[in-house]
Amino acid sequence: GAGVSQSPSNKVTEKGKDVELRCDPISGHTALYWYRQSLGQGLEFLIYFQGNSAPDKSGLPSDRFSAERTGGSVSTLTIQRTQQEDSAVYLCASSLGVDYSPLHFGNGTRLTVT
Amino acid sequence: GQNIDQPTEMTATEGAIVQINCTYQTSGFNGLFWYQQHAGEAPTFLSYNVLDGLEEKGRFSSFLSRSKGYSYLLLKELQMKDSASYLCAVRNLTGGGNKLTFGTGTQLKVEL
Repeated sequence: GAGVSQSPSNKVTEKGKDVELRCDPISGHTALYWYRQSLGQGLEFLIYFQGNSAPDKSGLPSDRFSAERTGGSVSTLTIQRTQQEDSAVYLCASSLGVDYSPLHFGNGTRLTVT
Repeated sequence: GQNIDQPTEMTATEGAIVQINCTYQTSGFNGLFWYQQHAGEAPTFLSYNVLDGLEEKGRFSSFLSRSKGYSYLLLKELQMKDSASYLCAVRNLTGGGNKLTFGTGTQLKVEL
């Protein structure tokens, strides 16, 4: 497809379980971002990948959160030992990685931790 | 760090003009974006400013003053479908990359 694809669209998990969220960016986009959005809130920056540079992990809320980007394309966000406060919509976005290029967002994964 | 401020909510009348303000404090400023987000949907790109001045795009215009750390989004001829959250986002250079940080958004309600 032409847009950013995220899977699953919805995920319900029990507290303490691990989850993996997947993002397929737009082909050719070198920059990839993960954000988190709680109900009625703004977008909270989590992590940013740009080409082969070391990722900017400054937004990850705890060491339970990690992300990788394989082959400069698909990215996976992993949350270990999920907590109820992790419940949110996780949005992935990609861009061409140049200054003026806007982010293109996927439809997000709605994570509910019970 | 960064600080981005927007009003939480605004209400306007169909057919009118509304201005949504955004102030920011950041180091390494490298551009400002406005996004629109309808409830339950992903944000979509509206405008980009990196130099001072006004950028016009149809019914939407965006203004930037870098010296004041200030931007606004101007929506003309408001339509009901413009009811949405409007997000201001600031790009800054960090570690050689371009990180984009979002404000908390302004919820706009357009009424008849």
